[in-house]
Amino acid sequence: KQEVTQIPAALSVPEGENLVLNCSFTDSAIYNLQWFRQDPGKGLTSLLLIQSSQREQTSGRLNASLDKSSGRSTLYIAASQPGDSATYLCAGFQGGSEKLVFGKGTKLTVNP
Amino acid sequence: EAGVAQSPRYKIIEKRQSVAFWCNPISGHATLYWYQQILGQGPKLLIQFQNNGVVDDSQLPKDRFSAERLKGVDSTLKIQPAKLEDSAVYLCASSLVMYGADTQYFGPGTRLTVL
Repeated sequence: KQEVTQIPAALSVPEGENLVLNCSFTDSAIYNLQWFRQDPGKGLTSLLLIQSSQREQTSGRLNASLDKSSGRSTLYIAASQPGDSATYLCAGFQGGSEKLVFGKGTKLTVNP
Repeated sequence: EAGVAQSPRYKIIEKRQSVAFWCNPISGHATLYWYQQILGQGPKLLIQFQNNGVVDDSQLPKDRFSAERLKGVDSTLKIQPAKLEDSAVYLCASSLVMYGADTQYFGPGTRLTVL
């Protein structure tokens, strides 16, 4: 059974800091990975999708990478801003399954 | 482009009552998903539709939960009877294609409280 672990569970940083969120899978046979953002009381917003032929994706200040051999992904946020405060979730599709398996998320607080 | 719509946004019921949630996916999206998100957890897939056919409902508690997608567009998720442990946010999502090749787009969710 695929399980997804996100470290740390919570993170508080001052504005302007660069930070890294981590995600790991018990079964490294994943082929697509998505990072989402969830604001309190709202649904999920897709940030980046890394498909099976890719190793990383970039969007603005965000960069996500996927190392299939180790079953790990990282989300790098550059020059963090208070508006980045949210819970960040990673989710992966496992080979042979159509289920998107989610981690519990990392709650990020960026202090002005 | 309009996003995924869900209603109601909030619902409070007593245990053993029934409740229904509605979802309208993004126009043209063939795949529709219902997730359950318990506080402090990541979303868990309950059921996945491809057009109006069920692709995966292996994690749907079928003794109390049911879902349908009429005409391959709108979908409803029903719980009957509700239990305390059903208190959660129910999220609907849609995507253009299956097999993880496309981004899943989520609605705002329905927060269910069972008393």
